[in-house]
Amino acid sequence: LAKTTQPISMDSYEGQEVNITCSHNNIATNDYITWYQQFPSQGPRFIIQGYKTKVTNEVASLFIPADRKSSTLSLPRVSLSDTAVYYCLVGDVWTGGFKTIFGAGTRLFVKA
Amino acid sequence: DAGVIQSPRHEVTEMGQEVTLRCKPISGHNSLFWYRQTMMRGLELLIYFNNNVPIDDSGMPEDRFSAKMPNASFSTLKIQPSEPRDSAVYFCASSLETGELFFGEGSRLTVL
Repeated sequence: LAKTTQPISMDSYEGQEVNITCSHNNIATNDYITWYQQFPSQGPRFIIQGYKTKVTNEVASLFIPADRKSSTLSLPRVSLSDTAVYYCLVGDVWTGGFKTIFGAGTRLFVKA
Repeated sequence: DAGVIQSPRHEVTEMGQEVTLRCKPISGHNSLFWYRQTMMRGLELLIYFNNNVPIDDSGMPEDRFSAKMPNASFSTLKIQPSEPRDSAVYFCASSLETGELFFGEGSRLTVL
């Protein structure tokens, strides 16, 4: 399984764009990149998943360069409610069962 | 559609007692995961099933822990005997083979 490295914590202010970068130097050909969000006292929640280039949904964008050795989760115009832990995961989703291992995550704190 | 349902939400027990946590995955999902989360160790994958078959239980701490999935709609995680260091929030999650996990609300276990 590809190991991921992301910042332990980040601070931001309301209304700003937040970019969280994740390094995954040994990503394999079949691996996808997935990001989750976790609020206190809740289970993680899927945000976005991608394989290459750019993926966008109603919540976030995911930028993946051509070499796929890193990825950046972009949260546009964050609010106080975006304060949470964000996890980057890398793995092959097409094998029989996807062994999903979470790292330490990035603790985002949004200030007023 | 109902999400992943876990029970009990909270359990307080004494050291040495048996604890059984229950999980009902989302209907149609073919993978099920048990995680444990503590402040010290973060979110740890204990075991995961695919099509009701345990695929990887290397995260199970020791023989005191066991998990079963007798059918596609039910799984249990049992701790016998329980110890104070087992105190944690235990999450169950289910997924299709796309890799997007859906988490339950968790079972908070306190072992005195």
